[in-house]
Amino acid sequence: AQKVTQAQTEISVVEKEDVTLDCVYETRDTTYYLFWYKQPPSGELVFLIRRNSFDEQNEISGRYSWNFQKSTSSFNFTITASQVVDSAVYFCALSEAGQTGANNLFFGTGTRLTVIP
Amino acid sequence: DVKVTQSSRYLVKRTGEKVFLECVQDMDHENMFWYRQDPGLGLRLIYFSYDVKMKEKGDIPEGYSVSREKKERFSLILESASTNQTSMYLCASSPEGQGIMGASYNEQFFGPGTRLTVL
Repeated sequence: AQKVTQAQTEISVVEKEDVTLDCVYETRDTTYYLFWYKQPPSGELVFLIRRNSFDEQNEISGRYSWNFQKSTSSFNFTITASQVVDSAVYFCALSEAGQTGANNLFFGTGTRLTVIP
Repeated sequence: DVKVTQSSRYLVKRTGEKVFLECVQDMDHENMFWYRQDPGLGLRLIYFSYDVKMKEKGDIPEGYSVSREKKERFSLILESASTNQTSMYLCASSPEGQGIMGASYNEQFFGPGTRLTVL
């Protein structure tokens, strides 16, 4: 069965600090996709990144970076030099390739990040 | 720009009332989803639809039903609202899968959510 675990419920950092949000997943599929979403106080989830199971290359986008390691079933998200606007709830999600019809996403429970000015 | 809209941001209903939550997307997406979000539980899938008039149960369908008469609209119905259905409800849509990637490759686009309180 599929499962996504975000063990960190809440994290607080001071502005300009780096912070890493952890995500551990479980799946029996060999082909799958991992996602990160951001939910700011306005409530709407915003897509940040997708990674497929065959691509373990780390990705950097500005202050954001993602570290995907199949050996530990982890897909961690790091924010460098955090800013107040990064304050949000962050969700990690898994989609298995064997699905027919719609693409169900299995979400973790989320990590609430608070950046203190 | 991609857009998913939900009929209300905040809704207050009484126990036993029939409640309709409406979701509309303007991206011509085949797939639509209803989730509820509760503290400590993340997002849980209630129902989804991969085509007009087609629906599938998600992880927590009890107490809910859905309707998809038109491609752009997906309604969530609480037949007889109860206090344990007080929650944030999120609608999402995604396009049909393409090529070898299939549907699983596609991200979902979310609406702003409806915070429902049942008294």
